Amino acid sequence: EADIYQTPRYLVIGTGKKITLECSQTMGHDKMYWYQQDPGMELHLIHYSYGVNSTEKGDLSSESTVSRIRTEHFPLTLESARPSHTSQYLCASSQWTVDGNTIYFGEGSWLTVV
Amino acid sequence: QKEVEQNSGPLSVPEGAIASLNCTYSDRGSQSFFWYRQYSGKSPELIMSIYSNGDKEDGRFTAQLNKASQYVSLLIRDSQPSDSATYLCAVSGDSGGYQKVTFGTGTKLQVIP
Repeated sequence: EADIYQTPRYLVIGTGKKITLECSQTMGHDKMYWYQQDPGMELHLIHYSYGVNSTEKGDLSSESTVSRIRTEHFPLTLESARPSHTSQYLCASSQWTVDGNTIYFGEGSWLTVV
Repeated sequence: QKEVEQNSGPLSVPEGAIASLNCTYSDRGSQSFFWYRQYSGKSPELIMSIYSNGDKEDGRFTAQLNKASQYVSLLIRDSQPSDSATYLCAVSGDSGGYQKVTFGTGTKLQVIP
């Protein structure tokens, strides 16, 4: 089981502001992910990383950016927030085990842009 | 056709009954399969993983995998109101040299007291 920490858990911010959602994991997992999920809707992969200095865009286009300078840290940044960015953002990490590429989620960051 | 398909529900079962949740997938090369539970407003939590054909049991939960039929299911015995949640099926397989994990849209389960 992974320990994944996300901050802030809840954020209300004005349009045009820059925000960074922090994500850290303590298990040394190589792979980290950001998912976006609206209430009652499906998960959408927006970014992933397979290691330090590796970042890729996911299946859903996003105006956010990510960085992976340290194994344990995978922050997500929105340069100019808009109301359409209002959503829940879930950070996750995984490691290959005998059971496969098992993904573990953090508690999520709820973003509201007003 | 979606890569991982689940009936969105809601699936309603009475307390104490067996809840059966189903998932089909399109990639025959898929290797590992996972079930997650997600309570409203919370993040998904892993319930079970399975990678071999057959059944795998963990307490009240049983995962069943049939790779020939590209079908994976989750049975919840003695369903409790606390089991009411959305259940996500996830499938992992090789995609261009890396392990891609694809989630279904989830099935909402309601356990009626």
